[in-house]
Amino acid sequence: AQSVTQPDIHITVSEGASLELRCNYSYGATPYLFWYVQSPGQGLQLLLKYFSGDTLVQGIKGFEAEFKRSQSSFNLRKPSVHWSDAAEYFCAVRLTGGGNKLTFGTGTQLKVEL
Amino acid sequence: DGGITQSPKYLFRKEGQNVTLSCEQNLNHDAMYWYRQDPGQGLRLIYYSQIVNDFQKGDIAEGYSVSREKKESFPLTVTSAQKNPTAFYLCASSIGGPRGDTQYFGPGTRLTVL
Repeated sequence: AQSVTQPDIHITVSEGASLELRCNYSYGATPYLFWYVQSPGQGLQLLLKYFSGDTLVQGIKGFEAEFKRSQSSFNLRKPSVHWSDAAEYFCAVRLTGGGNKLTFGTGTQLKVEL
Repeated sequence: DGGITQSPKYLFRKEGQNVTLSCEQNLNHDAMYWYRQDPGQGLRLIYYSQIVNDFQKGDIAEGYSVSREKKESFPLTVTSAQKNPTAFYLCASSIGGPRGDTQYFGPGTRLTVL
């Protein structure tokens, strides 16, 4: 069965430190890949997406993600975290040619220490 | 401003009552979606609609119903058959079609069953 795994439920980093959030997927072919962010009680905001081409994708708010086909991963990174980045982050995948259905990971809650 | 609106933001329901959540978009998107979010479980797809007057069940459709009479509107009814309806409900929309592109989310409705 298709699945998306975010192995870290909670992550705490100090403000100014670098960040990497992990995402692994299980599909037969390369899917479309997304990262969303959610502040408490709010909807989801798209950070970045990968459809094809360059495997290093730049997004909003200084985030980037790298698609690694050999590892079935799409990890999210930020060189220097700001206190306002504290939120929950979701990785999502959609099959190519599989309609519009997204499968989400269970999320990673990011806490930023000042 | 273009976007997706959901109302109400908070909704309380007595057991045994049906309740309808509103979702409206002015993005001229063909496809619309309803997700349910529970702590630690990510987002799960309830129903989706690729075009007016057509919709399909998602992964957890039991106890829910939808309609799609207008392109901009996709209301969700939580029926009394839904055993555990307390959750955060998110509506999304996308351009649609086989490639589909990105899903954009509304601010959500928090439903609490008393």
